[in-house]
Amino acid sequence: AQSVAQPEDQVNVAEGNPLTVKCTYSVSGNPYLFWYVQYPNRGLQFLLKYITGDNLVKGSYGFEAEFNKSQTSFHLKKPSALVSDSALYFCAVRVGQGTPLVFGKGTRLSVIA
Amino acid sequence: EAGVTQFPSHSVIEKGQTVTLRCDPISGHDNLYWYRRVMGKEIKFLLHFVKESKQDESGMPNNRFLAERTGGTYSTLKVQPAELEDSGVYFCASSPQRTSGYEQYFGPGTRLTVT
Repeated sequence: AQSVAQPEDQVNVAEGNPLTVKCTYSVSGNPYLFWYVQYPNRGLQFLLKYITGDNLVKGSYGFEAEFNKSQTSFHLKKPSALVSDSALYFCAVRVGQGTPLVFGKGTRLSVIA
Repeated sequence: EAGVTQFPSHSVIEKGQTVTLRCDPISGHDNLYWYRRVMGKEIKFLLHFVKESKQDESGMPNNRFLAERTGGTYSTLKVQPAELEDSGVYFCASSPQRTSGYEQYFGPGTRLTVT
């Protein structure tokens, strides 16, 4: 069975500092990995994905993530955090095209001015 | 291009009542998914339509939940009768086709509160 772990319920970072939101996964087969963000009273917005190719993927709003197959991780990063990045972040995985996503519990990011 | 829309945005009903949630996917998207997030927990898959056919309904909790997708366009999810544990946010998502690495596009969700 597929699973995703986001080990931190909450991440606090000062504005301007780099941020990392952690994600590890467990699948049988090649994973398709995704990060979504949910702002208050909004739906899930797609940030970035890894399907194949370069392990470092860049997405919206200056975010990036690195696929590490040996560590089965897909951590989300940003070099300089903004207060507006404060939101709930979800990591998700699926195996195979068109299949449902399996989500982590989410990590709440708080960027403090 | 319009995104995925869901109606209502919020519904409060009493235990034992019926509620119907609606999802309008992005036009032309064959795949439609329903997910649910119970307070503080993971977003869980409920079911997957390809056009009007149910491709996978392994996540449906029980037979109180009925999903339809008439003509392969919008979808409805009916809960009858509702129980307290059905409370949560119900998300709908769509994606264009099966044979690609497309991400799923999510709607804003329907917050269901059963009292």
